[in-house]
Amino acid sequence: DTAVSQTPKYLVTQMGNDKSIKCEQNLGHDTMYWYKQDSKKFLKIMFSYNNKELIINETVPNRFSPKSPDKAHLNLHINSLELGDSAVYFCASSLAGVYEQYFGPGTRLTVT
Amino acid sequence: AQSVTQLGSHVSVSEGALVLLRCNYSSSVPPYLFWYVQYPNQGLQLLLKYTSAATLVKGINGFEAEFKKSETSFHLTKPSAHMSDAAEYFCAVSASSGSARQLTFGSGTQLTVLP
Repeated sequence: DTAVSQTPKYLVTQMGNDKSIKCEQNLGHDTMYWYKQDSKKFLKIMFSYNNKELIINETVPNRFSPKSPDKAHLNLHINSLELGDSAVYFCASSLAGVYEQYFGPGTRLTVT
Repeated sequence: AQSVTQLGSHVSVSEGALVLLRCNYSSSVPPYLFWYVQYPNQGLQLLLKYTSAATLVKGINGFEAEFKKSETSFHLTKPSAHMSDAAEYFCAVSASSGSARQLTFGSGTQLTVLP
C-alpha cells in the first residue's frame, strides 16, 4: 500500500552514462514533483507536473528531462551524467490546490 | 518569492527535555508552512502544517508549532524528547505557481537526543 514509490532506491553509474529514475503514486494525486537533495541535505525543487503538463521547471541542466506518461507516474531521465549529479532525488505528489506534498523514499544516485 | 531560515543546523537535547527547533520565513503572500521529518535513509514525512486556520498546530508524534506573523516564525516544539525523535527536520513554505504548490525548504536541523 505504498503511497509514493521510486525505483531504484540506489543507483551507481559512471560519468557519461544515461539513467532513469521512476516514480509512481497511488494516492490519486494529479500533481507530481522532483526534488534534489545535495550532500548537505539541502532540498530544491527541479520540476513539477500537473495532469501530465509541465508546471514548474527550475533552472536545471537540459540533461535532465522529466516525463509523465500519466497522472500517477513521473519519471526522470538524466543524460550524460556528471559527478555533480550525485545526490538523493525525491519524488513527491499532491492534489492541485492542496499544499501538502507526500514524498517517496528517495533514490540515491552516485556518479563515479 | 519565499524563503525559510532554520536557526541551528544541529540541536542536541537530553531525553525527556524540551525540543525547540527554530524556523523563520519570508513570503510576499500569506504563507502556508510545513514541518517535515527525515529519518536516516528515508524520505520526508509530514509532521504538521499551517494553512491559515489555527495558529497553534498540532502534528504527529507529539510535535506542535505556532505561527507568529509578527515574528515571521513557525518554531517546532515537543515537551519531552524521545530517542526516536532523532532525525533531520525541515521547515518549508509554500507558494503557488499556477496549479502547483512549490515548496521552498530550509536547510534542515539535525536533532540529536542524548540518553
